Amino acid sequence: GAGVSQSPSNKVTEKGKDVELRCDPISGHTALYWYRQSLGQGLEFLIYFQGNSAPDKSGLPSDRFSAERTGGSVSTLTIQRTQQEDSAVYLCASRKSTGWTNEKLFFGSGTQLSVL
Amino acid sequence: GNSVTQMEGPVTLSEEAFLTINCTYTATGYPSLFWYVQYPGEGLQLLLKATKADDKGSNKGFEATYRKETTSFHLEKGSVQVSDSAVYFCALVRAGSYQLTFGKGTKLSVIP
Repeated sequence: GAGVSQSPSNKVTEKGKDVELRCDPISGHTALYWYRQSLGQGLEFLIYFQGNSAPDKSGLPSDRFSAERTGGSVSTLTIQRTQQEDSAVYLCASRKSTGWTNEKLFFGSGTQLSVL
Repeated sequence: GNSVTQMEGPVTLSEEAFLTINCTYTATGYPSLFWYVQYPGEGLQLLLKATKADDKGSNKGFEATYRKETTSFHLEKGSVQVSDSAVYFCALVRAGSYQLTFGKGTKLSVIP
């Protein structure tokens, strides 16, 4: 597609339920990122994919969070047993991964997650 | 580790006022520096960047100069418009790294 697509745009769930957030990056972009944006906290790095592999999972806040990427394209971020502190906007971004001099991150509009 | 510190918001200005949003960084080596902007209801998008010391990035009337001696990358605009109302994020990436480190963002509101 023309840009990074995320779905759903809004998700309201009950505490303890599992949620899946989807990211469809720009075609041909090998690098994919997940960030979390919380009020007053800025952008918190969660995970980075190069192709289908995730060399850096260091930002995942707990073992309730997991992510996968298949076919070098679509990625899914899964949060199990959601807690109220998981409420935030989850942002996905992608880039070609050829070097920062001529590149930039392209962001999706995010998924607003609200845990009641 | 790497970090970016931005001035606290929100910032409220009248149309045509001068804007400065301060950004300082901590990083090893010589990072590339960025300003991203998030308009209401939209995803972040790159506003400008600078990849080496003394470079000036510019776009849409905004400017920022990479100052290695003060480890700063302050964003400026001479005359803001209502349409500039958004959240502005300063960010850095170390040479050869994949990860952008962002500041907490500064919300700008421009009133007519």
